[in-house]
Amino acid sequence: GAVVSQHPSWVICKSGTSVKIECRSLDFQATTMFWYRQFPKQSLMLMATSNEGSKATYEQGVEKDKFLINHASLTLSTLTVTSAHPEDSSFYICSARTGFLGYGYTFGSGTRLTVV
Amino acid sequence: GENVEQHPSTLSVQEGDSAVIKCTYSDSASNYFPWYKQELGKRPQLIIDIRSNVGEKKDQRIAVTLNKTAKHFSLHITETQPEDSAVYFCAASTDAGKSTFGDGTTLTVKP
Repeated sequence: GAVVSQHPSWVICKSGTSVKIECRSLDFQATTMFWYRQFPKQSLMLMATSNEGSKATYEQGVEKDKFLINHASLTLSTLTVTSAHPEDSSFYICSARTGFLGYGYTFGSGTRLTVV
Repeated sequence: GENVEQHPSTLSVQEGDSAVIKCTYSDSASNYFPWYKQELGKRPQLIIDIRSNVGEKKDQRIAVTLNKTAKHFSLHITETQPEDSAVYFCAASTDAGKSTFGDGTTLTVKP
C-alpha cells in the first residue's frame, strides 16, 4: 500500500521550454505532497509543500513563478518547471504523507531532468 | 527552522562489521525521525523510523536510537553486507509533515 507514482522518470528538454512532472497517490488520498530537489551527491532539499485545493507553500529561495505546483485533487500533484535552464537539471522527487498524524511518508520514483 | 546534521559523510566498513551513523537536530518540536537508504539513481527507501515517545527500535540487523534530551538519533547496522552499500539519509519531521534531511552518509561495505 501507499504507492506514489511519479512520471516521467527522466526527461531531456531544451532551454526555455517547460516540463511537467506528475505525482499520483495510487491507493490513498494525499492531502499534502512535498516536492524535493536533489543535486548530484547532495541531500534532498525541500522546494515546496502542496496542499490539495490551496496554494503551495514555497521554501525560501525557491521561485514560485518558475516552479509551478498544482494540487487539484487528492491523488494528483504536479510540478511544472517553466522556462527551464541547464541549472535546473536535477533529480526531482515528490513525497506524500500517508499517516493520519503526519507520520509516514512515501516517495515517488523521482524524475531526472536534464536541460540542454 | 530545523537543522539536521549527519555524520560521518562517508563510512567504509568490512563485511560483517557494524556501522553507526549519527544525526543531531535543532527543533525540539520534531517528533518523527525516519532513515532512508538511497541507491544510485533510485528513490529513497524508508528503512526504519522512530517516534519521539520511543527510545529505541530494532528491525533485524537495523536499529535506531533516539535521545530527545540531547536531540540526537543514530542508525546502527549490524553484520553488514555488500548490499548495504548505499547513501543513507536521516530526517527530522514535525506534525506539520515537513521533513528536513541530513546531508547523507555514503556507506561502503567491503567484501
